[in-house]
Amino acid sequence: ETGVTQTPRHLVMGMTNKKSLKCEQHLGHNAMYWYKQSAKKPLELMFVYSLEERVENNSVPSRFSPECPNSSHLFLHLHTLQPEDSALYLCASSQSKAGGTDTQYFGPGTRLTVL
Amino acid sequence: AQSVTQLDSHVSVSEGTPVLLRCNYSSSYSPSLFWYVQHPNKGLQLLLKYTSAATLVKGINGFEAEFKKSETSFHLTKPSAHMSDAAEYFCVVSDLGNQFYFGTGTSLTVIP
Repeated sequence: ETGVTQTPRHLVMGMTNKKSLKCEQHLGHNAMYWYKQSAKKPLELMFVYSLEERVENNSVPSRFSPECPNSSHLFLHLHTLQPEDSALYLCASSQSKAGGTDTQYFGPGTRLTVL
Repeated sequence: AQSVTQLDSHVSVSEGTPVLLRCNYSSSYSPSLFWYVQHPNKGLQLLLKYTSAATLVKGINGFEAEFKKSETSFHLTKPSAHMSDAAEYFCVVSDLGNQFYFGTGTSLTVIP
C-alpha cells in the first residue's frame, strides 16, 4: 500500500480545533480526489483536482478547505468541524480525470473523530 | 445519469462455498465498472474492472465478474470462499469524467 499514503491515520479533534489531513501519491498520476465515508452511506465525493486545479466541489461546507500544491500532494484543511463530520476520509488518485476508464487508487484513509 | 445498486447489504457463506455478490447499474452510455474490497480499517483495493473488452473479467484473489448488458448487471463471484475474503465490497460505475458512483456496499462474512 505504498502507492497512496495518508497521514495521520487517526485524528481526534475538538470542534474549535484546526487540523489538516495529508495525502501523497507516488504513482505519477494527474488527478486526486477526497472522499468521505460515513457508516451505512455510499462514499461521497468531496473534491477533485486535475493537474493541481480544483475541478469539482460537491457542495462541501466551507469548514473543509482543500489544497493541492503539486500533483503528488493533496491536503484537506479542517476548522470548526461538527460531530457529524466524524468519518473515514479517503484520498484517491488516477492517471487522469477524463475518460471514465481510469482506475482510482485509494489510500488507507484517516479516521476522524470530532468531539 | 449513473447509479449502482448492490442488492444485498450482508452476505454470509461458509468457507469453501461459492460467493455471489450482486450489483446492478444504470448508465446513459457504455460504462466502466469496478469492484473494490475494503478490509477493516483499510482503504479500498481494486479487485477488477470492466472497460468494454471481454465481458468476463478476472480479478485478484480468485474473484471474477461478468458484465451483462441485457441485465445491467455486474455480479462478483468466487468459486470457493476463504476466511480472508471477509470484508466490505463495493461496486462502482464510472462516467466519462471519471467520477465514480459507489454502491452502498456488501458486507461479506465467511463462516468457518
